[in-house]
Amino acid sequence: GAGVSQTPSNKVTEKGKYVELRCDPISGHTALYWYRQSLGQGPEFLIYFQGTGAADDSGLPNDRFFAVRPEGSVSTLKIQRTERGDSAVYLCASSPLAAGTDTQYFGPGTRLTVL
Amino acid sequence: DQQVKQNSPSLSVQEGRISILNCDYTNSMFDYFLWYKKYPAEGPTFLISISSIKDKNEDGRFTVFLNKSAKHLSLHIVPSQPGDSAVYFCGAINRDDKIIFGKGTRLHILP
Repeated sequence: GAGVSQTPSNKVTEKGKYVELRCDPISGHTALYWYRQSLGQGPEFLIYFQGTGAADDSGLPNDRFFAVRPEGSVSTLKIQRTERGDSAVYLCASSPLAAGTDTQYFGPGTRLTVL
Repeated sequence: DQQVKQNSPSLSVQEGRISILNCDYTNSMFDYFLWYKKYPAEGPTFLISISSIKDKNEDGRFTVFLNKSAKHLSLHIVPSQPGDSAVYFCGAINRDDKIIFGKGTRLHILP
């Protein structure tokens, strides 16, 4: 079956602009996670959805970052007034349950470059 | 303050030999540990996991060892194959579902 897909694969934007990154999880997976991977670092947790609600958004760096999952499937990560420091690969993952021990399946990521 | 540390940024191993990747953690509340493998331009893929109530888990060529008293885990790959060349991330979970990852170790398998 299809895995987690993310669009676009690459996004180049200018400082100050608004961007939206999309994640299509594996069908039927109730849990969805966003991570950010900067150069030379491991993925860092941003936000976790269980169904439509954000169960944990403690990893969002500031209020410029927001994510939604209105129908419990596709999620969109939104970044306002982008800054050069936002440049990173944004990874989405999904899992069938949110028990902490279920494997998270990652998408290929969106590489965001802020000029 | 890094809770999960992979102190070796890279490792080179001869094909056919054993690869040992190490990971240290600081939070004793972690109750589940995972290893992910990442190829360039792809997302991380799950490799193997271990619960904190165990000290070893084996899956084919991959074995993970957990030493809770030392807050240390290691991934053993034997025998190493060319397709094992990738970046390996150690991760830990403490009941709240988010994975705390280390910085990764790049493994090079030499012919």
